[in-house]
Amino acid sequence: GEDVEQSLFLSVREGDSSVINCTYTDSSSTYLYWYKQEPGAGLQLLTYIFSNMDMKQDQRLTVLLNKKDKHLSLRIADTQTGDSAIYFCAESGANNLFFGTGTRLTVIP
Amino acid sequence: DAGVIQSPRHEVTEMGQEVTLRCKPISGHNSLFWYRQTMMRGLELLIYFNNNVPIDDSGMPEDRFSAKMPNASFSTLKIQPSEPRDSAVYFCATTGGSGPQHFGDGTRLSIL
Repeated sequence: GEDVEQSLFLSVREGDSSVINCTYTDSSSTYLYWYKQEPGAGLQLLTYIFSNMDMKQDQRLTVLLNKKDKHLSLRIADTQTGDSAIYFCAESGANNLFFGTGTRLTVIP
Repeated sequence: DAGVIQSPRHEVTEMGQEVTLRCKPISGHNSLFWYRQTMMRGLELLIYFNNNVPIDDSGMPEDRFSAKMPNASFSTLKIQPSEPRDSAVYFCATTGGSGPQHFGDGTRLSIL
């Protein structure tokens, strides 16, 4: 079955860049997603990338996709304290999404 | 756009009681998903519906759990009887076509 893996924790200093990594197994996934979950809230769609793209940039967010290695990353430039949250990577299945365990990003002031 | 609406936001009840969680999807979204989130197991898909029909319920933990979608604008997840190990945050998410899933804010369930 599909397996999406992420590291559990990441700490960065305010103003630095954060890079959250994800590996997935299903090479036929059409879309790959990044969601953000703040405390007490649901998962909020941050950005997504189509599988035939290598990179997508959206303001402070940059998504890189390496299809050969099945590796996805999310870079947050100029990380702010408001970016502290859990970030989930997800790959699209036939009718569903498969989520990673989430990476808890802590931003140190 | 009101987003996915879940109720209640919090539920605390004693074991053995019946619990009903509710979800109102985004208008026009034809797929609905129920997830459970715990520290130990992360985010687990319980069941999903397409056009009000259950497609995959393999994630439903046991017969105590049931879900219905009587119409396109409402779904319920029921636990009867509830047990302490059912304590978790339950999320509903919906999508239209092949687009991304949009999540509600969840129901935080505590079974004492």
